[in-house]
Amino acid sequence: GEQVEQLPSILRVQEGSSASINCSYEDSASNYFPWYKQEPGENPKLIIDIRSNMERKQIQELIVLLDKKAKRFSLHITDTQPGDSAMYFCAARDPGYQNFYFGKGTSLTVIP
Amino acid sequence: GGIITQTPKFLIGQEGQKLTLKCQQNFNHDTMYWYRQDSGKGLRLIYYSITENDLQKGDLSEGYDASREKKSSFSLTVTSAQKNEMAVFLCASSQGVSNERLFFGHGTKLSVL
Repeated sequence: GEQVEQLPSILRVQEGSSASINCSYEDSASNYFPWYKQEPGENPKLIIDIRSNMERKQIQELIVLLDKKAKRFSLHITDTQPGDSAMYFCAARDPGYQNFYFGKGTSLTVIP
Repeated sequence: GGIITQTPKFLIGQEGQKLTLKCQQNFNHDTMYWYRQDSGKGLRLIYYSITENDLQKGDLSEGYDASREKKSSFSLTVTSAQKNEMAVFLCASSQGVSNERLFFGHGTKLSVL
């Protein structure tokens, strides 16, 4: 199946700075790339997504970029706040099988 | 809005025991998934089902069985629990081809003694 690599696995940033998480995928047929945030003891929740017909999407402080040629996509959190501290997972969807393949996750800590 | 309910929330089993995890959704979604979450390994797909009575294996299906008894429910069976195994099993659902958003349950935490 699809392989999704996610880096870094651990990220610590100062409050107010930006945080970036990078993912890469192997299957050029993948066409949908969601990002999930999971707070301790909670279920993962969708925070932003991007489809293969777009290169950039922004929702408030969240920006996702997609480079289809390089098969990479990234999440950028601008002006981080302590409430952004959580696990973040990227994923890629295989349209043929309706599967989602997840990265191994990034533990983000925003230091006040 | 809908909800995904997983039962039980915590499951303690013995080595070699057969254990069943249940998942119910009231979104009326077509597709349901079982993922296993291990620390440092992310979410790995065990089984998924695109409609009632359908079953598709994920990358981690060995050692598990699943059953989609009806559209709203999807159960997962650990066929033989492994000693010292500890993981969280997450159930999820999505509408299908037209709407890819995944909704997750809160998980079942498994510990094997």
